[in-house]
Amino acid sequence: DIQMTQSPASLSASLGETVTIECLASEDIYSNLAWYQQKPGKSPQLLIYDASSLQDGVPSRFSGSESGTQYSLEINSLQSEDAATYFCQQHHDYPWTFGGGTKLELK
Amino acid sequence: EVKLVESGGGLVQPGRSLKLSCAASGFSFNDYWMGWVRQAPGKGLEWIGEINQDSSTINYTPSLKDKFTISRDNAQNTLYLQMSKLGSEDTAIYYCARTPYVMDAWGQGASVTVSS
Repeated sequence: DIQMTQSPASLSASLGETVTIECLASEDIYSNLAWYQQKPGKSPQLLIYDASSLQDGVPSRFSGSESGTQYSLEINSLQSEDAATYFCQQHHDYPWTFGGGTKLELK
Repeated sequence: EVKLVESGGGLVQPGRSLKLSCAASGFSFNDYWMGWVRQAPGKGLEWIGEINQDSSTINYTPSLKDKFTISRDNAQNTLYLQMSKLGSEDTAIYYCARTPYVMDAWGQGASVTVSS
């Protein structure tokens, strides 16, 4: 199975700041990576697919990028509603696997 | 509006079986792959598996392949997850999702607790 190592496990940031969350794949996944946002008590929601394509309806302050097997989710101009846990998921090879999650708290 | 509603969760004794359902609406169900993901309390997401439009292809995560079975009824717009030989490690919220590859729509989840 492809392992997805996500970091950091948690972070705290202020409104208006920019944060970056990373996922390292154990092998080349050829940009087949998605990011999800999960708010407390809610189901996950797709933010980004194919490493950098924004899902319909997702604010443009969310963006994805890649460098080799390292994938990043950047959130610009943090808003209060961005407080959530974020997960990455590789969709290159079965079984699909998720990163461990990053809990983002707003100061 | 795409809507997925899971049902069938609850408290079940170790070693028993349970079947979850997921009712879909707001899209053409028989045009999409569908799948299941679970989340143990306070933990991350675990992909269980997914099924294609005509049920001819079903993929599972290897560790669950012998105890979970995914099926669907396109006439009823419903996805199923049959779970057998349940243990405490299967206690989780179970989500159905529209797929393939990425999950672009999710249900609200069904809570399953395995305990005597």
